[in-house]
Amino acid sequence: KAGVTQTPRYLIKTRGQQVTLSCSPISGHRSVSWYQQTPGQGLQFLFEYFSETQRNKGNFPGRFSGRQFSNSRSEMNVSTLELGDSALYLCASSLATEGTEQFFGPGTRLTVL
Amino acid sequence: AQSVTQLGSHVSVSEGALVLLRCNYSSSVPPYLFWYVQYPNQGLQLLLKYTTGATLVKGINGFEAEFKKSETSFHLTKPSAHMSDAAEYFCAVSDARGGADGLTFGKGTHLIIQP
Repeated sequence: KAGVTQTPRYLIKTRGQQVTLSCSPISGHRSVSWYQQTPGQGLQFLFEYFSETQRNKGNFPGRFSGRQFSNSRSEMNVSTLELGDSALYLCASSLATEGTEQFFGPGTRLTVL
Repeated sequence: AQSVTQLGSHVSVSEGALVLLRCNYSSSVPPYLFWYVQYPNQGLQLLLKYTTGATLVKGINGFEAEFKKSETSFHLTKPSAHMSDAAEYFCAVSDARGGADGLTFGKGTHLIIQP
């Protein structure tokens, strides 16, 4: 079974631009979660989607948004990029049953200049 | 609210020595606990998890962890360290809503293996 894939793997943007990251979950997984990883803040939960509905969102500004498509693929968007948005963005998928683990993709490394 | 504390941002052990990475959690409900490993420039890989049942959980690569409710701990151990174990390790706790609230991670422990 193919794992979670994320595209692109690396991205360089300048302040003020916007960016869209893509995530394809493991086949059959209907839940997709996004996390931001930085050296200072560690791993922080951004949001989670299940069957095209956002069920929860972490403590991030409205510049961070996402969506999920009917095939469970997900995208996240960051508008008006700031230097502090430089991070590794990880996507994870799961079966969304109680206690099941999340499977992570390799991440997208975003650098904001 | 859930929280996870990992004691020691860096742990150094000699090859062949015991590995012990500490994790304490705070949760208002019975927790689901996980240990993940991250190698440089990669995503997170699940080592093991505790949901219910046996409190001693065995994972991949010879790692195991014991859930101790009275101590709110879920420490990760491996009897004999190998050079390939050098990586970042994260303890995480999950909610009871099938992951809707996401995983809450500790700050991570960087494991260094001395030859």
